[in-house]
Parts: sequence; C-alpha cells; structure tokens
Amino acid sequence: DIQMTQSPSSVSASVGDRVTITCRASQDISGWLAWYQQKPGKAPKLLIYAASSLQSGVPSRFRGSGSGTDFTLTISSLQPEDVATYYCQQADSFPHSFGQGTKLEIK
Amino acid sequence: QVQLVESGGGLVNPGGSLRLSCAASGFTFNDYYMSWIRQAPGKGLEWVSYITSSGRSIYYADSVKGRFTISRDNAKNSLYLQMNSLRAEDTAVYYCARVDVETNGMDVWGQGTTVTVSS
Repeated sequence: DIQMTQSPSSVSASVGDRVTITCRASQDISGWLAWYQQKPGKAPKLLIYAASSLQSGVPSRFRGSGSGTDFTLTISSLQPEDVATYYCQQADSFPHSFGQGTKLEIK
Repeated sequence: QVQLVESGGGLVNPGGSLRLSCAASGFTFNDYYMSWIRQAPGKGLEWVSYITSSGRSIYYADSVKGRFTISRDNAKNSLYLQMNSLRAEDTAVYYCARVDVETNGMDVWGQGTTVTVSS
C-alpha cells in the first residue's frame, strides 16, 4: 500500500502570507494526487485534482504542483476563510490513501 | 442541484450490523464511480471503499475487507454500504462521495452520517 505523508502537521500564518503544504508518497504515483479542504464540522471539499488542476469554483490563490512522489499545495495569499485542515490523497492504486492532514490556522 | 445525502447511521452494539445509504440527485448517477470515506472522532480521513459505475469493480480498505460490502442501484440512484461485524474502531462519520472517472478526484460529498459502535 502507498503511504502518504504530509508536512507540516499544523501551520500558523498571517493573512496575506504565502502558505505551502507538502505531501510525499511512498512510491511513484505519477500525477494521481488530489487535495481536499475540510472546515470544522463540514464535509471535505475538492480543491485540486490530477496534482495541479484547479477544481471549478476554487479561488485561484490555491495552486497544486508536483509529480512522482513529491507534491505541494500553495496558498498564495492566505485569507481568513482558508482556516481548515488540508488533506492530500493518492488515486494511483488501491487503497486510495490520504495523508494525515495539515491544520492551518491564522496567526 | 447536485447532491448526495447519506442515511442509516446510528448506535450499534459491537458485532452488530448497519446498512448505510447514499441518495444521489442532480446528476446522471450511472456515469460516475462512487466511494465511501470515514472519519473517526478527532481523526483524519480514511478511504473505505470504491465502486465503478457498473458495479463490476469494487475495492476495499484492508481494515474493512470481509466485513463491509459496497453496492449500488443505478435505477434508484443510490449507493450502499453494508457493515457487518462492527467494531468500536468503526465508529466514525461516514461520507459518500462522487468520483470523477477520469481523474479519480472526489468532487461531490455528502454531509455524512454518524456510526457509533458501543455497548
């Protein structure tokens, strides 16, 4: 099974800051990676699919990059509504495992 | 509008069974693969199961294999998860999600249904 490891586990940043979250797969998953945002008490929401494609309706400040084993989610200018936990998920092979999550807070 | 609504959660004794349902509306259900994902209290997301549009291919997490069964009824626009031999560690919010067949991204999620396994 493929293990997904996110870092950091939590991050605190100021409004307007650039925030970067990384996700590493235990083996090559090509571009089969998605990023999800989950706000407290809510269902997750798809932000990025196929490593770098922005889901419809998602603000352009969110950007995904990477391929193979190393991936990055970048928020170019942090907004208060971005407070959430972010998860990566590989969709290359079953089971479609998630990373452990990165909790993003405002400083 | 595009919507998924889960139902069937509740309190069940260890060793018991429960059947979750997910009703889809606002899109052509049989064009999409579907998945179940769960989240234990205070924990991260755990992928549980996946079914293709025809139901011909099915996959499970090792943690539920042999105990859970995913199925779908395309005529009723519904997805199901039959859960048997339930354990305390199966306690979680269970989400159904629509899977894009080209990207495997889960682009529509239900609101979740809570399963509690306790005596």
